[in-house]
Parts: sequence; structure tokens; C-alpha cells
Amino acid sequence: RKEVEQDPGPFNVPEGATVAFNCTYSNSASQSFFWYRQDCRKEPKLLMSVYSSGNEDGRFTAQLNRASQYISLLIRDSKLSDSATYLCVVNYAGGTSYGKLTFGQGTILTVHP
Amino acid sequence: NAGVTQTPKFRILKIGQSMTLQCAQDMNHNYMYWYRQDPGMGLKLIYYSVGAGITDKGEVPNGYNVSRSTTEDFPLRLELAAPSQTSVYFCASSYPRDTTNTEAFFGQGTRLTVV
Repeated sequence: RKEVEQDPGPFNVPEGATVAFNCTYSNSASQSFFWYRQDCRKEPKLLMSVYSSGNEDGRFTAQLNRASQYISLLIRDSKLSDSATYLCVVNYAGGTSYGKLTFGQGTILTVHP
Repeated sequence: NAGVTQTPKFRILKIGQSMTLQCAQDMNHNYMYWYRQDPGMGLKLIYYSVGAGITDKGEVPNGYNVSRSTTEDFPLRLELAAPSQTSVYFCASSYPRDTTNTEAFFGQGTRLTVV
């Protein structure tokens, strides 16, 4: 089983749609969680951190369920500029692995007019 | 503020050649990472370092070596290039003040082709 698994996608949605991505992680020692965005042929950039209480940043909402080892990202009112690959990232903080960031394989989102 | 700088941006190697991918950061981050990304795939961790003089293997370390003699630099060495090492390589750094703040900043990547 992969350490971090994401919906395979790709997701093709019209502008204005709401889309949700899911991610599961296998190591219960994981301490912190993030969503990164990667544009074509560019480096990944932090979209948002994911907190236990859930958090929102404009049209983006992230949720964490530690019991189920599950993370989600919801995008409301999709824009053309949201088209990108979304990467789920988990930080393990056990033993000597503190600070080791592990990435999921990514989910491709295409928003069309 | 340059952030994370990788060189070169592109490189073509012949099978069996060696090269060093350079990575430098000017943010005084203690954590640094090397990832590779194959087409259509996520990032796989090659090596990482939690501080000068300390390195550790990631998920796919075979065929690579690293060193961390200073806080700023974290070069990645390929000794005997193989076609399977054709990939995009990303260097990243972070400064985890606590377990909830480990945002990683990435370089622009090195596109390596081994022929």
C-alpha cells in the first residue's frame, strides 16, 4: 500500500462547479498535512495546510479525519485558473523521520468554459 | 530573496556518465530534500537532510548520493547515469518550527534526460 494515495482523476469540470479531492495516508504517526498545487512543468507550491478542525481559504476548504486517516480538499465555484495538479502531502514525525514530506501521486484538475 | 536555486535547468547525459545537480537555499532552512518526478506521477523522495552533516535515504535512493556540508547547499550526485534516471528533479527546503509548520519551498527543477 502506498504511503499517500489520492483519487486517480483526472477531473474535468465546468467553470462554477464544485469539485472534491480525497487522499488517504497509511502511517498513523503522521503529524501534519498539506495540499500543494503544481502547474504544468512547474514546481509545486503550497496551497494550504490542513488542520484537525478543518480550515477554509476563500473557495478552498480542507478537512482532516485522523481516525480514518483521510484528507480532503473542496474547491467551490471553480475557475479556469484552478486547472492544475493537486498534490496531497503528509509530514511524518516519528523517530528519525521528522520533517520527511511524502507526496501523493497527484490529481489532475481541468476546468473548462 | 532567491529562495531555492537549482542548476542546471536542463541536462542530457549519456549512459554511464556522472553529474552533480546543485541546490542552494538562502532562507537558513535546516531541512532540505531531493525529489524526482516522472511523467504523470507524483514526487518521490530520493534523499533528505535535517541539517548540515546529516542525510537520510528516502523512498528511491539507489543510484544517487548526497552530501550536506553547509546549511545552504545540498548537491545530488549521479555516479553512473541510467535511462531510468530520466526525470525532473526538484530540490526543496523547509524550516519546521513545529509539527504544524513544515511548508516546503521548491526550486524550479532540473530536467534530466539519459540517453
